Amino acid sequence: DAGITQSPRYKITETGRQVTLMCHQTWSHSYMFWYRQDLGHGLRLIYYSAAADITDKGEVPDGYVVSRSKTENFPLTLESATRSQTSVYFCASSDRDPQPQHFGDGTRLSIL
Amino acid sequence: GENVEQHPSTLSVQEGDSAVIKCTYSDSASNYFPWYKQELGKRPQLIIDIRSNVGEKKDQRIAVTLNKTAKHFSLHITETQPEDSAVYFCAAKRSSASKIIFGSGTRLSIRP
Repeated sequence: DAGITQSPRYKITETGRQVTLMCHQTWSHSYMFWYRQDLGHGLRLIYYSAAADITDKGEVPDGYVVSRSKTENFPLTLESATRSQTSVYFCASSDRDPQPQHFGDGTRLSIL
Repeated sequence: GENVEQHPSTLSVQEGDSAVIKCTYSDSASNYFPWYKQELGKRPQLIIDIRSNVGEKKDQRIAVTLNKTAKHFSLHITETQPEDSAVYFCAAKRSSASKIIFGSGTRLSIRP
């Protein structure tokens, strides 16, 4: 859906570098989520947010930092990238219950 | 903790035949069950969802059934077509929770 956009779509970086993945939604959805998708692991939740200034850890939060100062933005930062963080990252948003999540087009991140 | 098990992990059917994917959830308070389709290199997209107050929902060739007693729900695709080839994810959520629990995915292949 055009209402949720991720940037960049592709990123190559080196181990130890800091990298930030951006997510922006125009629906004013309360909830936002970050997932990583690796072959054989499906969708794994990294962090989520129920509202501005409220964030919570998901299944695999180690090595990641999030913030949500504005409802529409939910950036994900890898403070010191490692090769194991090479993955496809999806951002999603949803309105209050019970509503489906809408996914962005993903960011393919490669860490060399 | 909360868990959603999805079977089978891979499924190959002849074009025109039916496909069935099954999921079992552990949280008896779950009341919302969406299904997502993810084509190769694309984002997951909602194809159908069902709430706990109904037992079945149908949308053209796709149907979902829910058995709350057994904590089991299924996706049925009839008259399969090549464009149905994708990975399908089931999910479960309770109203009081922010996050959704995804199954591990089923790779569906349609044989010509």
